[in-house]
Amino acid sequence: EAGVAQSPRYKIIEKRQSVAFWCNPISGHATLYWYQQILGQGPKLLIQFQNNGVVDDSQLPKDRFSAERLKGVDSTLKIQPAKLEDSAVYLCASSAGTGNQPQHFGDGTRLSIL
Amino acid sequence: AQTVTQSQPEMSVQEAETVTLSCTYDTSESDYYLFWYKQPPSRQMILVIRQEAYKQQNATENRFSVNFQKAAKSFSLKISDSQLGDAAMYFCAYRRQLAGANNLFFGTGTRLTVIP
Repeated sequence: EAGVAQSPRYKIIEKRQSVAFWCNPISGHATLYWYQQILGQGPKLLIQFQNNGVVDDSQLPKDRFSAERLKGVDSTLKIQPAKLEDSAVYLCASSAGTGNQPQHFGDGTRLSIL
Repeated sequence: AQTVTQSQPEMSVQEAETVTLSCTYDTSESDYYLFWYKQPPSRQMILVIRQEAYKQQNATENRFSVNFQKAAKSFSLKISDSQLGDAAMYFCAYRRQLAGANNLFFGTGTRLTVIP
């Protein structure tokens, strides 16, 4: 079974530029999560999708962050404009549902803001 | 709100010895799940072990076991016969049992070094 795929693996941009991350979950997984992991901290949820609907985006800075999951499969997370404090690893995870199913994580994208 | 605390930023253990990583959490809910995840330098979060709060028996997975103390809201991880491949960041995480919003709440992590 293929795991959660993310790209790019690394991204370096200047502040005020825009950036997008892509995630392809495990086939058949209905639930998709985006987490932000700042250096020295544990991951923090940004947004959770169930199929193509948003379940929880309470921690998403909506003035600069946006995410979509068209057709309930792949997802993109966008930051526009980026700030220095957005430097972090962005992790995507998926699970078969919202019950007892475990979350499977991708390798993440490391974003550096100059 | 649920909070997870890992009070040991770093731990070290001799190869083949046993080490225990600590975790405490705060919640007002009675049903939930607790997890330990391992994050090597490759960054992928790997599930190590899971515990359902309604189960009194401590979970075990080969060399990994937990000491779950529900009343004390404590969830420690014991790694027996430590191996070089166990070196990584270890995160304790909490998840609500409710359907719908069931994201993970993570602690700040413990960096484990295994000394040959």
